[in-house]
Amino acid sequence: EAEVAQSPRYKITEKSQAVAFWCDPISGHATLYWYRQILGQGPELLVQFQDESVVDDSQLPKDRFSAERLKGVDSTLKIQPAELGDSAMYLCASSLTSTEAFFGQGTRLTVV
Amino acid sequence: QKEVEQDPGPLSVPEGAIVSLNCTYSNSAFQYFMWYRQYSRKGPELLMYTYSSGNKEDGRFTAQVDKSSKYISLFIRDSQPSDSATYLCALNSGGYQKVTFGTGTKLQVIP
Repeated sequence: EAEVAQSPRYKITEKSQAVAFWCDPISGHATLYWYRQILGQGPELLVQFQDESVVDDSQLPKDRFSAERLKGVDSTLKIQPAELGDSAMYLCASSLTSTEAFFGQGTRLTVV
Repeated sequence: QKEVEQDPGPLSVPEGAIVSLNCTYSNSAFQYFMWYRQYSRKGPELLMYTYSSGNKEDGRFTAQVDKSSKYISLFIRDSQPSDSATYLCALNSGGYQKVTFGTGTKLQVIP
């Protein structure tokens, strides 16, 4: 069964360091989302791609976060410099029709 | 006011009980409605997806949408301990708009 792949599963980094997450969506899915989920809360959208174009990055802290999807397939989310408040689960999802989204297992980030 | 409201629980029920999980929303543009199940430290798993008012059934799960009241529900029949998880409602207005999530309701089914 096709699934969204994310790596790494877990990441511990020191504050002020750079960290990057990778996502490979389900083949053929044009829409790719990066969400952040703080413990006990629902996922919140950071950035949404349609193919290689950003369609919504209104909630992305652009002073420290960046995201790219250069060939419209896999995607990278980067944080530089990381802050203690960035500790969360980072979830990637993809969608064929921009309606139902399928999620990966996430990357749990701990900033120390 | 949040676009989507969901009681965080926790909700504890005995095995075999019927569980009712609910969300309300304020944006009438939402047309697509989803329920996700999320086990601890895992990504959300899509359970149900519907785009119309009424009921949709899949095994022990029934999703219900009332657009006039802006109210959606997920019913779980014959609940099992393996159903213990956080259940997230998610809504989308289509047209490449973002998926908006509720905060999730934590469910515990006690054997």
